[in-house]
Amino acid sequence: IVLTQSPGTLSLSPGERATLSCRASQSVTSNFVIWYQQKPGQAPRLLLYGASSRATGIPDRFSGSGSGTDFTLTISGLEPEDFAMYYCQQFGGSPPNTFGQGTRLEVK
Amino acid sequence: QVQLQESGPGLVKPSETLSLTCTVSGDSITEYYWNWIRQAPGKGLEWIGYIYYSGDTYYNPSLKSRVTMSVATSKDHFSLKLSSVTAADTAMYYCARGYCSGESCFFAYWGQGTLVTVSS
Repeated sequence: IVLTQSPGTLSLSPGERATLSCRASQSVTSNFVIWYQQKPGQAPRLLLYGASSRATGIPDRFSGSGSGTDFTLTISGLEPEDFAMYYCQQFGGSPPNTFGQGTRLEVK
Repeated sequence: QVQLQESGPGLVKPSETLSLTCTVSGDSITEYYWNWIRQAPGKGLEWIGYIYYSGDTYYNPSLKSRVTMSVATSKDHFSLKLSSVTAADTAMYYCARGYCSGESCFFAYWGQGTLVTVSS
């Protein structure tokens, strides 16, 4: 399964709402679409799993939605620390997991 | 506190074998799926494969012919070997703990990564 994220780069201002897309080449169970955040020089950090569950310490401005082949990460009210790379990941296909190519969220 | 730490040579010559170890602390290696992921400079994440504590493995088909993973449960570490490396294998290599249930799968814990450069 190939995951395609869009846009490649998203330029927004603090306080705005960010909508990041992840499209799968085949249907994926929503519970098995995962989102990570990665900042420069750091390992990825788990954001969302199980369709809409937030990982420990992740604020509620992060939310996930979608089904089938189209999934969305929404960040409502961007904070300065939210500007980073975001990756989606799927489990269950062949190979058993793959990552999207990422969306860079940058300050406008 | 679960921690993972990658270790191994930072420089490998072309055609040789890359060998890395991930040491797990604060958790038992006799559970979960233990993964290797890499990230070429300025690029996205590429899953290399996983090993279960029982020794069962699954490798990314794109790398399968060159990858070997092993686990040492008594010593709480697992390892990656990637043979016949080229400059294209230059990347940050991460290890990560994979958890799967009927509800979801995810990588909650990652090592800090180790940069491996392939160069003569």
